[in-house]
Amino acid sequence: EPEVTQTPSHQVTQMGQEVILRCVPISNHLYFYWYRQILGQKVEFLVSFYNNEISEKSEIFDDQFSVERPDGSNFTLKIRSTKLEDSAMYFCASSGGHTDTQYFGPGTRLTVL
Amino acid sequence: DQQVKQNSPSLSVQEGRISILNCDYTNSMFDYFLWYKKYPAEGPTFLISISSIKDKNEDGRFTVFLNKSAKHLSLHIVPSQPGDSAVYFCAASGQGGSEKLVFGKGTKLTVNP
Repeated sequence: EPEVTQTPSHQVTQMGQEVILRCVPISNHLYFYWYRQILGQKVEFLVSFYNNEISEKSEIFDDQFSVERPDGSNFTLKIRSTKLEDSAMYFCASSGGHTDTQYFGPGTRLTVL
Repeated sequence: DQQVKQNSPSLSVQEGRISILNCDYTNSMFDYFLWYKKYPAEGPTFLISISSIKDKNEDGRFTVFLNKSAKHLSLHIVPSQPGDSAVYFCAASGQGGSEKLVFGKGTKLTVNP
């Protein structure tokens, strides 16, 4: 069964460093998303991406964040200068169409020291 | 901003019995509701969904009920199995599945053998 994959599974970084989290969505999907879950809190929407541009972004998704689909398979989330409060699980998701279900990857645990 | 609420952080049931997980929402613009199951160190796994034009959707042991007037939905699992032990998230979106999902905090279900 097709699935969303994410790398790395765990990323440790120093405050102020840049990180890139990678996702490979399900191959024929057209809509892509990033969510995050801070320990003990809800899963929160960050950004959605369709047709090579951002469809919607949350208040969390400020200028420190960017997304890119550099080729036909990868979808990346970049955090330019990490802060301690960016420590969280980051989930990538994809869906096939406008009314389709979102399927999630296993997540990347980001730890900012 | 708790647009989606799961008021029970945990639920414990005996194997073979019914599990009922509840979810309330406040935003009347939501018209698509989903349940996801999450095991530790994994991403949310889609379980079942319901559109606002329906009041019930069934898939094997899982049934979701929607009461629009009460802004309430519930997930019934019958019969419950130990493998169902996980955190269950209720999520809602504005239109179909491609819009951002708003999640509840989750309910940890434990099914005892």
